Amino acid sequence: NAGVMQNPRHLVRRRGQEARLRCSPMKGHSHVYWYRQLPEEGLKFMVYLQKENIIDESGMPKERFSAEFPKEGPSILRIQQVVRGDSAAYFCASSPPGLAGGGTGELFFGEGSRLTVL
Amino acid sequence: EDQVTQSPEALRLQEGESSSLNCSYTVSGLRGLFWYRQDPGKGPEFLFTLYSAGEEKEKERLKATLTKKESFLHITAPKPEDSATYLCAVQTNTGNQFYFGTGTSLTVIP
Repeated sequence: NAGVMQNPRHLVRRRGQEARLRCSPMKGHSHVYWYRQLPEEGLKFMVYLQKENIIDESGMPKERFSAEFPKEGPSILRIQQVVRGDSAAYFCASSPPGLAGGGTGELFFGEGSRLTVL
Repeated sequence: EDQVTQSPEALRLQEGESSSLNCSYTVSGLRGLFWYRQDPGKGPEFLFTLYSAGEEKEKERLKATLTKKESFLHITAPKPEDSATYLCAVQTNTGNQFYFGTGTSLTVIP
């Protein structure tokens, strides 16, 4: 049973370019979370999605950032017109559905995508 | 405001020297508290879930406990392979977000 798959593992972009980060959740998992981690800082929540729905995007900057989780295919975190401050590790996590539909609690993380903006 | 604070930030132990890591939290309603281990350059790896005060979970040399305001991760007779950053996270009753602490970086010296 493959774990959460993220790609690319490393991405270098110049200021103003676009970054697309992909996440395939574990088989059977319908909940996807995206987190950002900066050195010396904790994991910061960005967005929570279920298939074809954004449930909570309160942690995502209003501009330049968007996320989707289509019916088919991976979840994608898209950052337009990247700036140096976007350099970070971006982690995707998935969880299986729980009785209340809000997930069972445990998050299973991918290895992360490390974005460097030059 | 929901908050999770972990202490100490860093901890160095001799192999076999037991200790505890602390996670204190302030949330409006706790659904669950989670412990993760993160190795350098890797994603966090799930360790434990605790749901109610008084609950305890064990796995090898690790034991997690929960009170109404904090959780402890006890490490008994640690080995060098236990070196990692240990993260604490809480899930609130709204269920949408997991709030993570900044972690405790543990180094176990042979």
